[in-house]
Amino acid sequence: DGGITQSPKYLFRKEGQNVTLSCEQNLNHDAMYWYRQDPGQGLRLIYYSQIVNDFQKGDIAEGYSVSREKKESFPLTVTSAQKNPTAFYLCASSIELAGIGSSEQFFGPGTRLTVL
Amino acid sequence: GNSVTQMEGPVTLSEEAFLTINCTYTATGYPSLFWYVQYPGEGLQLLLKATKADDKGSNKGFEATYRKETTSFHLEKGSVQVSDSAVYFCALNPGGNTGNQFYFGTGTSLTVIP
Repeated sequence: DGGITQSPKYLFRKEGQNVTLSCEQNLNHDAMYWYRQDPGQGLRLIYYSQIVNDFQKGDIAEGYSVSREKKESFPLTVTSAQKNPTAFYLCASSIELAGIGSSEQFFGPGTRLTVL
Repeated sequence: GNSVTQMEGPVTLSEEAFLTINCTYTATGYPSLFWYVQYPGEGLQLLLKATKADDKGSNKGFEATYRKETTSFHLEKGSVQVSDSAVYFCALNPGGNTGNQFYFGTGTSLTVIP
């Protein structure tokens, strides 16, 4: 079955530690995205990547870093510089259709990060 | 700029009641519009979409019509079920050279009681 996997589902971190969230897709999608979701709020874009070895900052990139060494993988590192990292993190992917806005985004099941 | 505004929740309905969740948007160009649903502790799933004015998206009894004149994409269902309890997100994709970025509303929580 094609889809997006995120691991782990729950993650606990001590203050001051970096932590990496995994996102893998086997949909052969070019574009991948990371969102943060806080209770009662919508999704906020952290980073996105349209192609391997290239990525752009979203609206709330400070305190986060990403890499895109393979098409199917887009890991997110939450660094100690992120002041309030406790949240639900969602990874998504889509076919990259430049100039065509009808492509949907497919989402993974999410990782809930809690800082202790 | 691009943005989505959807009605505040939470919304509580009895089973078999009629549902409307309002969504309006601001966009440059000709966006595509989407409704996503999120069940507790899960990611978002596409519910329906519409890619041009006057298109109607539909799925699982839910419908939404792309109204360019009112910049709206309201979600409706004639008879809700307990299993429809979830958070619903309206979203737009402005198209063009934006990297397929999406703009999401804040979500509307729906609870259906038996």
